[in-house]
Amino acid sequence: DVKVTQSSRYLVKRTGEKVFLECVQDMDHENMFWYRQDPGLGLRLIYFSYDVKMKEKGDIPEGYSVSREKKERFSLILESASTNQTSMYLCASSLFGQGLSYEQYFGPGTRLTVT
Amino acid sequence: AQKITQTQPGMFVQEKEAVTLDCTYDTSDQSYGLFWYKQPSSGEMIFLIYQGSYDEQNATEGRYSLNFQKARKSANLVISASQLGDSAMYFCAMRDIFGGATNKLIFGTGTLLAVQP
Repeated sequence: DVKVTQSSRYLVKRTGEKVFLECVQDMDHENMFWYRQDPGLGLRLIYFSYDVKMKEKGDIPEGYSVSREKKERFSLILESASTNQTSMYLCASSLFGQGLSYEQYFGPGTRLTVT
Repeated sequence: AQKITQTQPGMFVQEKEAVTLDCTYDTSDQSYGLFWYKQPSSGEMIFLIYQGSYDEQNATEGRYSLNFQKARKSANLVISASQLGDSAMYFCAMRDIFGGATNKLIFGTGTLLAVQP
């Protein structure tokens, strides 16, 4: 059974703290993604990675960074958390290749609150 | 630019009835893929169904079917015989043609479906 796990389901942090969100997949997928989800805005791509140590900015990378030191693990970092980063964060993975039907597999999400 | 539009923020349906969730898309490519995901209140996104632009038949998966109208650029999800467990947020998505082998997806804003007993 395919699996994407995220380190926390709920997280509360203070403004200015450095925050790490961890994501691990066991499907040997090359691609990994970080999204944030806000009401009325759907899912917006923050960063993605198609290989170890490779990363590319998505649509809303400001205020975030990522790390991919191992194929199975993709970390999202909030260098200095702000209240406008309170959101639901979803991690996903998929195969690498030109397959039109390659779906993304998602983790359970992390609800982050920054106070 | 590619875009996915879901115009129904919320919908109600009676248990055991069928419901259609709308999705329109915009793309300049001839070859593309469309996806529907379900997100229950627990938060995890669950893949439901896929339709390729060259598929001649509408995709079906159990009680889910996709009403694909290429000329209208619509890919509506039809859920037959609704169940209480179908209450969730539903997202339509399209494979980003500029994403290459990275398989990025572009998502709509979602439709919140509530199934009433």
